[in-house]
Amino acid sequence: DGGITQSPKYLFRKEGQNVTLSCEQNLNHDAMYWYRQDPGQGLRLIYYSQIVNDFQKGDIAEGYSVSREKKESFPLTVTSAQKNPTAFYLCASSTSTVNQPQHFGDGTRLSIL
Amino acid sequence: QKEVEQDPGPLSVPEGAIVSLNCTYSNSAFQYFMWYRQYSRKGPELLMYTYSSGNKEDGRFTAQVDKSSKYISLFIRDSQPSDSATYLCAMTRSGNTPLVFGKGTRLSVIA
Repeated sequence: DGGITQSPKYLFRKEGQNVTLSCEQNLNHDAMYWYRQDPGQGLRLIYYSQIVNDFQKGDIAEGYSVSREKKESFPLTVTSAQKNPTAFYLCASSTSTVNQPQHFGDGTRLSIL
Repeated sequence: QKEVEQDPGPLSVPEGAIVSLNCTYSNSAFQYFMWYRQYSRKGPELLMYTYSSGNKEDGRFTAQVDKSSKYISLFIRDSQPSDSATYLCAMTRSGNTPLVFGKGTRLSVIA
């Protein structure tokens, strides 16, 4: 079955620590996205990538970094510079960034110890 | 004014009711409209995808777009307890631009 796999489902971070969230897709989609979801805030775009080795900042990129070395993979690193990282993180993909609906993984919940 | 406004609810209805979920938007350039359903602790799943104005039906779900009023709706007929979820609207204009999401409406269908 084609889909988007996010891991781990739950992640805990200590103060001052960087953590990396995994996102893998086997839909052969060119575009991939990372969102943050907080209660009452809806989905906020962190980063997106239209093609391998290229990515753009979204609305809330500060404190986050990404890479896109392979078409199937778009990992997100939450750095120690992100002062309020506790949230539900969603990865999505689409055939392109032009007018296409996005398909989502089941998210990673990040909490601070 | 936010680009997309969506009443957060919660909305509680009895089983079998017709549910109406709505979003308003301010950017007249939006042409592509989507509705997603999100169960608790899961990712959103695409329910409906429409272009420009008009209606689209899929089973118990009908999506309606009124571009003149900048208003979109999702109707759910014969609602079921399994429809209990958060519903998110999303939209974009033509070209290489990311989706803009509403904040979601939480729906509970009571048996």
